[in-house]
Amino acid sequence: NAGVTQTPKFRILKIGQSMTLQCTQDMNHNYMYWYRQDPGMGLKLIYYSVGAGITDKGEVPNGYNVSRSTTEDFPLRLELAAPSQTSVYFCASSYSGSQGQTQYFGPGTRLLVL
Amino acid sequence: AQSVTQLGSHVSVSEGALVLLRCNYSSSVPPYLFWYVQYPNQGLQLLLKYTSAATLVKGINGFEAEFKKSETSFHLTKPSAHMSDAAEYFCAVRGSQGNLIFGKGTKLSVKP
Repeated sequence: NAGVTQTPKFRILKIGQSMTLQCTQDMNHNYMYWYRQDPGMGLKLIYYSVGAGITDKGEVPNGYNVSRSTTEDFPLRLELAAPSQTSVYFCASSYSGSQGQTQYFGPGTRLLVL
Repeated sequence: AQSVTQLGSHVSVSEGALVLLRCNYSSSVPPYLFWYVQYPNQGLQLLLKYTSAATLVKGINGFEAEFKKSETSFHLTKPSAHMSDAAEYFCAVRGSQGNLIFGKGTKLSVKP
């Protein structure tokens, strides 16, 4: 199993450009999450999904969109990139949302918006 | 609402010394607690988790953590630090959306 994979690893965007961060998991997990990590701030939840066709907002959803058409894929879309979206983005998945379920993280996408 | 506070953004120890990373939580329901480690330019890897079974939880790489309800703490320890332990460590509590609510992290440095 490859686990959770993310592409690209690094990207530079200009203000106002758009892009999609890709996330794929091969563990047949129902739950998937997008977090952003800023220095000294830990990770914050952007969006999550409890299954194909179902998504919901997390703590910091503004400026982002997601879709979940398959169990495996959970892409994150930035429509109009802003400097405040400079961050490291992590995708994670878990079998369920129940109490002790482990979340497995991808290697991250580092995004710089100039 | 749940939250996590990690005391100390940076901890430095000598190789072979005790590692103690502090984590306090706030939760209105019985908490489910996690410690993750992040090596430079990598994703997060689970070290250990507390799921209401034994209060002393053993994890990978010789780490363990003790859940203390009276102190609302879940501190991470390792008896003898190794150079390879240098990384950033995150304490997290499960949130109501099935997500993880993270502390701000503690960077561990290990001196030879």
